[in-house]
Amino acid sequence: EIMMTQSPVTLSVSPGERVTLSCRASQSVSRKLAWYQKKPGQAPRLLIDSASTRATDVPARFSGSGSGTEFTLTITSLQSEDFAVYFCQQYNKWPNTFGQGTKLEIK
Amino acid sequence: VQLQESGPGLVKPSGTLSLTCDVSHGSIHSSYWWSWVRHSPGMGLEWLGEIYHGGGTYYNPSLKSRIIISRDKSKNQFYLNLTSVTAADTAVYYCARSFFSISGSFFETWGQGILVTVSS
Repeated sequence: EIMMTQSPVTLSVSPGERVTLSCRASQSVSRKLAWYQKKPGQAPRLLIDSASTRATDVPARFSGSGSGTEFTLTITSLQSEDFAVYFCQQYNKWPNTFGQGTKLEIK
Repeated sequence: VQLQESGPGLVKPSGTLSLTCDVSHGSIHSSYWWSWVRHSPGMGLEWLGEIYHGGGTYYNPSLKSRIIISRDKSKNQFYLNLTSVTAADTAVYYCARSFFSISGSFFETWGQGILVTVSS
């Protein structure tokens, strides 16, 4: 199966900052890459699919890029509600696999 | 659409984990697929499998022959059965609506999740 590796594991940032999260695949996944946000006690939320397509109602400060094996999720001007864990997931080859997550915490 | 998981929160080792996902404000008769995903500290997020309203299924090979996903169109529900459970199956289990492609799927809407603990 395809291994997904996210970095860093934890990122301490201040509100208002811009942040970039990375996701690497062990083999090419083309652009079949999704990003999710997970807050404690809440359901995961789809942010991005097809590497760069924002899901419904996702603010424009979230953007995704990349293809092949290297992907990034960028959040410009962090809001308080953005502090959460972010997961990437490939769907280019069964079984679907997830990264281990990057936790954004308040600095 | 809204999804809600239900079922026992405690299952004995070697037993069967059985969960229900109730789909509301939408129909499982739609063109979506319907998935189960779990989240545990040890394994992270793990896709378990999914089903189409027509009955077609895809399963994670890591679960081998332990998993069955089924659906009841009349009740607008789908189900997870996982047999021969061990402590490693302790996790928060989510049901989700997925966008399916021939190579894989991603998860557009998720339930709130249910914690299932495997313990005697």
